[in-house]
Amino acid sequence: DIQMTQSPASLSASLGETVTIECLASEDIYDILAWYQQKPGKSPQLLIYDASSLHTGVPSRFSGSGSGTQYSLKINSLQPEDFASYYCQNGLSAPNTFGAGTKLELK
Amino acid sequence: EVQLVESGGGLVQPGRSLKLSCLASGFTFSNYGMNWIRQAPGKGLEWVASISSSSSYIYYADTVKGRFTISRDNAKNTLYLQMTSLRSEDTALYYCARQKRRVPYVMDAWGQGASVTVSS
Repeated sequence: DIQMTQSPASLSASLGETVTIECLASEDIYDILAWYQQKPGKSPQLLIYDASSLHTGVPSRFSGSGSGTQYSLKINSLQPEDFASYYCQNGLSAPNTFGAGTKLELK
Repeated sequence: EVQLVESGGGLVQPGRSLKLSCLASGFTFSNYGMNWIRQAPGKGLEWVASISSSSSYIYYADTVKGRFTISRDNAKNTLYLQMTSLRSEDTALYYCARQKRRVPYVMDAWGQGASVTVSS
């Protein structure tokens, strides 16, 4: 199975800051990666797929990049609604494993 | 509006069975693959099972293979997860999620979740 290692596990940031979350796959996943946001007590929501394609309705301050085994999610100019947990997901092969998550907290 | 509503969760003893349902609305259910994803209390997301639009392709996580069965009834717009031989480690919030068209590994709509607690 492909392992997804996310870092950091938690992150404190201020409003207006820019943050980056990393995801490392145990093998090349050829950009077949998605990012999800989960707010407390809510179900996950799709942000990005195919490493860099923004899902419909997702604000442009979110962006994804990377290739091979290394991928990142960047959030520009943090807004109050962005403080949540974020998960990457391998889509190359079953099981479509998730990273352990990154909790983004307000500093 | 796309809606996925899970039901059937509850408290069950180890070794017993439980069946979850997910009623879909707001889209043509028979055109989409579907998934079950679970989240143990305070933990991350774990993919459980997936089923293609016509039930031709079905996949399971190793942790549930042989114990859980995913199925669907397109006439009823409903996805199911039959869970047998339940263990304490199956305690979680179970989400049904729709696969994105043409990008099947991606889940673009999620339900609110059904809580399953396995305990004596």
